[in-house]
Amino acid sequence: GAVVSQHPSRVICKSGTSVKIECRSLDFQATTMFWYRQFPKQSLMLMATSNEGSKATYEQGVEKDKFLINHASLTLSTLTVTSAHPEDSSFYICSALGTGTANYGYTFGSGTRLTVV
Amino acid sequence: ILNVEQSPQSLHVQEGDSTNFTCSFPSSNFYALHWYRWETAKSPEALFVMTLNGDEKKKGRISATLNTKEGYSYLYIKGSQPEDSATYLCACSMEYGNKLVFGAGTILRVKS
Repeated sequence: GAVVSQHPSRVICKSGTSVKIECRSLDFQATTMFWYRQFPKQSLMLMATSNEGSKATYEQGVEKDKFLINHASLTLSTLTVTSAHPEDSSFYICSALGTGTANYGYTFGSGTRLTVV
Repeated sequence: ILNVEQSPQSLHVQEGDSTNFTCSFPSSNFYALHWYRWETAKSPEALFVMTLNGDEKKKGRISATLNTKEGYSYLYIKGSQPEDSATYLCACSMEYGNKLVFGAGTILRVKS
């Protein structure tokens, strides 16, 4: 079946540094990638949607200059948290939609736990 | 704004018990309802996708129903096993290929 590999699974960084999270589709072409964030005891909340080769579309309240999304190829999308601060500590997860997946199929990565100290 | 609610928030059952969860969503502008099973440190696993009112789907001991007119879906687990322990998420989309809006999930713990 369709698989999305997400790395790292866990990262701790110092305040002010940047962190890059990668999502790779292993056996299909991810034409659309969705990036979600989850705070404790809350729902997965969509941050942005990216289509391969296009600029990402950000949800209201999500700073595009802080959360840089790159989707330059059909198998790789990255989310970079720039100048991270403790309030950015959260769980980030990607979800891909693309050719080769079952109808309506959204395939998720396994998530990244970011802790900013 | 699409708001998806799940209940209960958590559930503890004994092995062999049958259980069910609810997902509520606005019935207008609805396209599809997704159920996912999510174990810690793993990717959410797709269980069902339903689009039509009255849809019923089954996968082993797990089944789901959909009522788009009143805006709810039920997920049933028959004869719960410890390996069923996970968080069960439901999500809705308003059109094909569009973003999913998630509920907060139901945490199921099955004791042996």
